[in-house]
Amino acid sequence: AAGVIQSPRHLIKEKRETATLKCYPIPRHDTVYWYQQGPGQDPQFLISFYEKMQSDKGSIPDRFSAQQFSDYHSELNMSSLELGDSALYFCASSLRGKIMNTEAFFGQGTRLTVV
Amino acid sequence: RKEVEQDPGPFNVPEGATVAFNCTYSNSASQSFFWYRQDCRKEPKLLMSVYSSGNEDGRFTAQLNRASQYISLLIRDSKLSDSATYLCVVNGGNYGQNFVFGPGTRLSVLP
Repeated sequence: AAGVIQSPRHLIKEKRETATLKCYPIPRHDTVYWYQQGPGQDPQFLISFYEKMQSDKGSIPDRFSAQQFSDYHSELNMSSLELGDSALYFCASSLRGKIMNTEAFFGQGTRLTVV
Repeated sequence: RKEVEQDPGPFNVPEGATVAFNCTYSNSASQSFFWYRQDCRKEPKLLMSVYSSGNEDGRFTAQLNRASQYISLLIRDSKLSDSATYLCVVNGGNYGQNFVFGPGTRLSVLP
């Protein structure tokens, strides 16, 4: 079965550069989530999109932005990168029900290293 | 106080042991509950959803107590391959539609 696809898998950037992470959700899933996981930490929610509109916003820095496109793929744009942005970035997708959300399925993540 | 709390462990248990993890959440309006498993440097993978009536999947049993805002996971007959971090995840209510993760409980099953 198709899973959540993220690209690239690994990315090395220098401080103050920009980075773009891509996420392709499971077909027919209408909700995409972005999470940041630092070393030894649990995943922290950044932002989510439902039907191409921003749904919820978490601890996403102002230097980051994201959007969901007409084909439901999503991109996380990160500017003025800092050393502290080095982390695993996960994308997840789910199908939003009328009463409650179904479970979320995660991509393999993008490991970003800022040097 | 974190919205979802877990004992970080580590839990070191011998093969064949039974081990239980607990999780508490602060938002009484939460609607959906899950246990995810995460191996080192890998993505979280859904272990099981947690239903009000409790549910079982093989060696794994999950329980939900809405009154106490408490979720549990029981693993019977532990295998070496069960070694991982177990994440309690809550969705809905005031959290909106995002999934809020607990800090995870680290389990090591020893031979």
